[in-house]
Amino acid sequence: EIVLTQSPATLSLSPGERATLSCRASQSISSYLAWYQQKPGQAPRLLIYDASNRATGIPARFSGSGSGTDFTLTISSLEPEDFAVYYCQQRSNWLALTFGGGTKVEIK
Amino acid sequence: EVQLVESGGGLVQPGGSLRLSCAASGFTFSSYWMHWVRQVPGKGLVWVSRSNNDGSSTIYADSVKGRFTISRDNAKNTLYLQMNSLRVEDTAVYHCARGGLLNYMDVWGKGTTVTVSS
Repeated sequence: EIVLTQSPATLSLSPGERATLSCRASQSISSYLAWYQQKPGQAPRLLIYDASNRATGIPARFSGSGSGTDFTLTISSLEPEDFAVYYCQQRSNWLALTFGGGTKVEIK
Repeated sequence: EVQLVESGGGLVQPGGSLRLSCAASGFTFSSYWMHWVRQVPGKGLVWVSRSNNDGSSTIYADSVKGRFTISRDNAKNTLYLQMNSLRVEDTAVYHCARGGLLNYMDVWGKGTTVTVSS
């Protein structure tokens, strides 16, 4: 099983600040990584797929980068609606999809 | 509107069974792979199972293999998860999700709650 480790667990920032979230894979997953956003009481929403491609309708302030084992989700300037939990997910091992443990972005 | 709506959750005793349903609308259901993902409240997402578009290929997480069965009825636009031999640790909100572009989960339902307790 490919283990995804997200850091930090919690990120405390103010609106307008830049958020940088990390996801590290236990083995190389090429670029087969997605990022999801989940707000309380809501279903997750796909933000980024294959490491760096924004999903339909996702604002340009969200960007993804990385390959191999180290990946980053960047929110260039936090909007009030961006405070949420973010998960990474790999599809490299398609027989056992896995998610990271999540990073909570909270208002400072 | 593209939508997934889960149902069938509830309270069940350990060792019991439950069948979840996921009704799809707003897209051609038979063209997509589908997933079940679960989440303990306040915890992270855990992938459970996947079906290809016609149900001929299915895979499971090790934690549910041999106990859960994913299936689908493309004529009814519905995905199912038959859960047998339920354990306390199966307690979670169960989401169905569409495997869209490159099979990433691009549409999600709000989930149905399964509680396994005596």
